[in-house]
Amino acid sequence: NAGVTQTPKFQVLKTGQSMTLQCAQDMNHNSMYWYRQDPGMGLRLIYYSASEGTTDKGEVPNGYNVSRLNKREFSLRLESAAPSQTSVYFCASRLVGTGWNEQFFGPGTRLTVL
Amino acid sequence: KQEVTQIPAALSVPEGENLVLNCSFTDSAIYNLQWFRQDPGKGLTSLLLIQSSQREQTSGRLNASLDKSSGRSTLYIAASQPGDSATYLCAVRPRANNLFFGTGTRLTVIP
Repeated sequence: NAGVTQTPKFQVLKTGQSMTLQCAQDMNHNSMYWYRQDPGMGLRLIYYSASEGTTDKGEVPNGYNVSRLNKREFSLRLESAAPSQTSVYFCASRLVGTGWNEQFFGPGTRLTVL
Repeated sequence: KQEVTQIPAALSVPEGENLVLNCSFTDSAIYNLQWFRQDPGKGLTSLLLIQSSQREQTSGRLNASLDKSSGRSTLYIAASQPGDSATYLCAVRPRANNLFFGTGTRLTVIP
């Protein structure tokens, strides 16, 4: 049981380049999330997917797109990377519908945009 | 918009000391509150989750309390150890699908 996995772990991009961050979970969770973590800001929600086939904007969605490929996988795409998108990106998942609602996080992707 | 504040931002204590980390939030209409631990360069590990109807949760040396009406939660760590050194994050869920995070308290336990 790997939990939430993310690839890649590290990435350096030049301004204007595109890339996709991958996330997968093997806990049969229905909801998945993408956050970014910046110094002094705390984690902020970029997009989430409440269930397979649905996606919604979070607090800071500009410059990003997402795809809920299936129940296990939720990807985050930067179409034209900007230095302001330098951050650590975390994927998370949760089983909604039970009483517990605990959220589990992946190890993160450290992205630098030059 | 929900605002979550954690004070202090950093804390150093000698090994063996009991300590309390604080979390406050502006909107008391929450579903639950979750405490996480984050080690440098790593992801978040869930420590405790308190439902809005609960007052506290305990796991080993950790005890988290919730006073929803005053918008406060505390994380109590008993008999601290150097391995407890990490950043502790508090997050509240005001609606079904959003977690709002504080900026964390960086704890250092000195041997």
